[in-house]
Parts: sequence; C-alpha cells; structure tokens
Amino acid sequence: QVQLVQSGAEVKPPGASVKISCKASGYTFTSYAMHWVRQAPGQSLEWMGWINPGNDNTKYSQKFQGRVTITTDTSASTAYMELNGLRSEDTAVYYCAFGPSSGSWPYWGQGTLVIVSS
Amino acid sequence: EIVLTQSPGTLSLSPGERATLSCRASQSVSNNYLAWYQQKPGQAPRLLIYGASSGATGIPDRFSGGGSATDFTLTISRLEPEDFALYYCQQYGTSPWTFGQGTRVEVK
Repeated sequence: QVQLVQSGAEVKPPGASVKISCKASGYTFTSYAMHWVRQAPGQSLEWMGWINPGNDNTKYSQKFQGRVTITTDTSASTAYMELNGLRSEDTAVYYCAFGPSSGSWPYWGQGTLVIVSS
Repeated sequence: EIVLTQSPGTLSLSPGERATLSCRASQSVSNNYLAWYQQKPGQAPRLLIYGASSGATGIPDRFSGGGSATDFTLTISRLEPEDFALYYCQQYGTSPWTFGQGTRVEVK
C-alpha cells in the first residue's frame, strides 16, 4: 500500500535551517509530483511547493521563494524540504502529500512538527 | 492568489442531521478544481472530494460535493459520529494552491 513516512520532530533556534524527509513506498516514486504543505498551530493549511521527481522540476509558493528548497533522492524514493532563515512563525506541522491529480492529494505523510524557539 | 472563504465557521448539529458547508472563491476556480478535506486532531487531512463533485476512493456516499466557478458546497447527508471534525476546501486550478480557513462540525 502507498505510504509516506516523514522524519521526526525538530526544534530549531531562529535563523537556523531545517530539512525534513518524506520516504515514499508502494508506488512508482517518479510518477507523481510531491507537494509540501504546512499547518501552524490552530491554523489552516498552506501550500509551499512541489517537485516532479521524474525531472526535478520545482515550483514554489511566492511566499516561500528564496527560503525553501525541495529536492528528491530517487534512489531512495525520498523527497526533502529544506526551509532556511527560520522564524517563530514557521512553527508548524509540515506535511508531504501527492495524488494522481496534480492538486488534490489522497496520500499524506504523518506530518513533522517543527518548533522554532530560542 | 485565490482566497477561499468558508462558512459557517462552526456548524453545531446532531448525529443523523444533514450538514451543508459552503466555500466561496474570490475568483473563478479554473476547471472547477476544488477539493474538500476532513481533518481530525493530530491527523493529516483526508481527501473527500476532488474536481468539485467527484468522491475520492473509499469515501462514503453520504459525502457529496457541488457547485462551480466561485461557489461550492460540501454536503454530508446524515452525520455519523465519526464525521464531527474540521473541513477544508482547497482550490488547485491556479497556483498557488490555496485553502479555506475551515469549518468545524461539532456535536450539538
């Protein structure tokens, strides 16, 4: 069955970087774009960007442009999301997600909590 | 970017009742690429509806979606105890993909 397993929770000081992994299994990793979405405490969901693992093309939300980098390791069927210049408002649960349609996602990782605090 | 406004913020209903949730877009959603998700505390969102009205795999048929252009609805025909949760709409017709602020369906 399809599974997305994300790396564990992180606590980072302001200004640091965080890199989260999302290991995929149960399907052909290069067939579907992988998206990253975050959810601050008590808030709605926010799309950050996506990557096409087949050709490494990426597209980022303008809000995160310049601070976020999404990459893949196709040999490990794993996607990564790195966010730089962390600030307190980046405290959130970060999810990877994908689906056969480019924008609606039946498959989600379990989420990774990132806490930005000094 | 397209702003999605969901109403009401909270819906207080009893099991067995019908729930109607609204999602209004600030501009027309291309190709009616509108999805609905359910989220429970501590869990990832669960896709219910895509393309405004198509049910995702494994979703009970008491969940239905409708609407077009700027006005969309999610209807739960008869609320089951497990349906009390947060619901989000999302548009994926125009980048950046955006979400509404959510509607909470709570037990009356």
